[in-house]
Amino acid sequence: GQQLNQSPQSMFIQEGEDVSMNCTSSSIFNTWLWYKQDPGEGPVLLIALYKAGELTSNGRLTAQFGITRKDSFLNISASIPSDVGIYFCAGQQRSRGIYSGAGSYQLTFGKGTKLSVIP
Amino acid sequence: DVKVTQSSRYLVKRTGEKVFLECVQDMDHENMFWYRQDPGLGLRLIYFSYDVKMKEKGDIPEGYSVSREKKERFSLILESASTNQTSMYLCASSWRGARNNEQFFGPGTRLTVL
Repeated sequence: GQQLNQSPQSMFIQEGEDVSMNCTSSSIFNTWLWYKQDPGEGPVLLIALYKAGELTSNGRLTAQFGITRKDSFLNISASIPSDVGIYFCAGQQRSRGIYSGAGSYQLTFGKGTKLSVIP
Repeated sequence: DVKVTQSSRYLVKRTGEKVFLECVQDMDHENMFWYRQDPGLGLRLIYFSYDVKMKEKGDIPEGYSVSREKKERFSLILESASTNQTSMYLCASSWRGARNNEQFFGPGTRLTVL
């Protein structure tokens, strides 16, 4: 199946620093999503991107849909201790499957970036 | 707020037992999904459903089945649990339509098969 390469795998930063992580693929995606997962919990949707070049913010988080449609970036500004967790990217490609629209509901996930913030 | 709930947060079962994991969403979503999450392997799709009584296999359906008798409820069934099914199971749901890719997740069920 399709793969998303997410980097870095983990990072340790000082509180107050800015953070960048990215996701790349050899295939084109129509949608990029960014999720955060706290330990023992399910992922929570942070930002959804639907157009190439789109730049969207959610508080201190900013994400961009790459122009080539093969990558996306997430930036966190002025990190705080509660930013700790695993950040996942997810992408959606064109439809596949027997039902014409069903495959379009499937997402491909990156393996996550584990963020640690040192107070 | 979208709410996706899962019947158990932690579950311990024995090899060979039949296991039911239940998921309920309260936002009238058409689509529902079951994933498992394992260290180093990320999230992998087991099954999904885009309507009541409809289901499609995901990437790793072997050893699992699902049931969607009502729109708000999607069940994952392990017919005969095995130790390699020890994992974190996550349910998600989404709308059908323009924003159908925005999947909302439940808190997860951590299943241990002894």
